[in-house]
Amino acid sequence: SAVISQKPSRDICQRGTSLTIQCQVDSQVTMMFWYRQQPGQSLTLIATANQGSEATYESGFVIDKFPISRPNLTFSTLTVSNLSPEDSSIYLCSVKQETQYFGPGTRLLVL
Amino acid sequence: LAKTTQPISMDSYEGQEVNITCSHNNIATNDYITWYQQFPSQGPRFIIQGYKTKVTNEVASLFIPADRKSSTLSLPRVSLSDTAVYYCLVGDLFYNQGGKLIFGQGTELSVKP
Repeated sequence: SAVISQKPSRDICQRGTSLTIQCQVDSQVTMMFWYRQQPGQSLTLIATANQGSEATYESGFVIDKFPISRPNLTFSTLTVSNLSPEDSSIYLCSVKQETQYFGPGTRLLVL
Repeated sequence: LAKTTQPISMDSYEGQEVNITCSHNNIATNDYITWYQQFPSQGPRFIIQGYKTKVTNEVASLFIPADRKSSTLSLPRVSLSDTAVYYCLVGDLFYNQGGKLIFGQGTELSVKP
């Protein structure tokens, strides 16, 4: 099974700023995913980030707001730009091997 | 992608068996059924996965009828620590749809002493 770590685990940010979330996996994986979980809600897929190609965004999510990097097979970053209070959520990184594994999440509060 | 429907919440008592049923009427031939468990402030954790009939592991059993339009997660003798949200997901194991899993609303299980 894959072990996933995320940094930071939580943060409080001012509106208008940006936050970059790092996701590190202990093994090489081709497929990585970023999810958002708003308070009391289920998970919503933001984008798929495969190494060597541009990220693929789901409906309602755009690259300007959620730029993603995938420099190698064990690492990815998600930036949440121009923050507003509506961006307050948990952001989770996920990878697919024999099944799909999730990181612990990054809890973001925007004031 | 197949949509799933589950009860929003369930209550149980310690020591009881809990069965959570999920409907997925539009499941495709290549789709597997996967259940995840999520505790507060944690990422979802894989519980069990199956394609048809019955699958059992050290944590749970998964029952899938022949038509595969539903599935039932069975948790034997639950304890207080099983209080969590349980998600039923249907997805293509073989990456034909990009391998992405789409989460439904989940079932919030509350186990009482």
